[in-house]
Amino acid sequence: GESVGLHLPTLSVQEGDNSIINCAYSNSASDYFIWYKQESGKGPQFIIDIRSNMDKRQGQRVTVLLNKTVKHLSLQIAATQPGDSAVYFCAENPSQAGTALIFGKGTTLSVSS
Amino acid sequence: GAVVSQHPSRVICKSGTSVKIECRSLDFQATTMFWYRQFPKQSLMLMATSNEGSKATYEQGVEKDKFLINHASLTLSTLTVTSAHPEDSSFYICSARDRLAGGYLQETQYFGPGTRLLVL
Repeated sequence: GESVGLHLPTLSVQEGDNSIINCAYSNSASDYFIWYKQESGKGPQFIIDIRSNMDKRQGQRVTVLLNKTVKHLSLQIAATQPGDSAVYFCAENPSQAGTALIFGKGTTLSVSS
Repeated sequence: GAVVSQHPSRVICKSGTSVKIECRSLDFQATTMFWYRQFPKQSLMLMATSNEGSKATYEQGVEKDKFLINHASLTLSTLTVTSAHPEDSSFYICSARDRLAGGYLQETQYFGPGTRLLVL
């Protein structure tokens, strides 16, 4: 069935390094993607989004890349900080008005000082 | 902007009782609200989609008589877990879409902080 998955369940980095979190999606018709950050015991927090007519979008310290050819999405975090430690989910909009976003399984990012 | 609140943040109840969880969009009107549950170290599982003034649409396997959803206004949706049992213990999260958002931003979901339910 349609699903959004992440390549690695966990990622450990040193403070100051750049982090790259990957996501593969299966629905080629999806037209909108969002990365969420979820800290322990909290709800998901919107980080950055990208439409399917773009291949890159930058925010503050974060960049999302979209490769529609291979249905791959990535989140790059520059100069990772301990406060970035959380679970990161990618979500896709299946291009059907009113339907919910489809979430991947999540990658746990651990940042050590 | 786009703040969603949930109340309560944590609730402990006895088996057999009912628990109501509120989800509010604080600074926008929500056309659609969604209810998810999340088990430890797992992703979000969609339970139901709630539209203001109409009946909720439940995902396959979710009992609509057990998880009652009411979306009485553009800023409030409630989830009532009826006759709760220990297996209903979970983290319940709601999200909402902004009614007045333009273009693709209409699909963005803003999440509440979640409600931790523990049924003894």
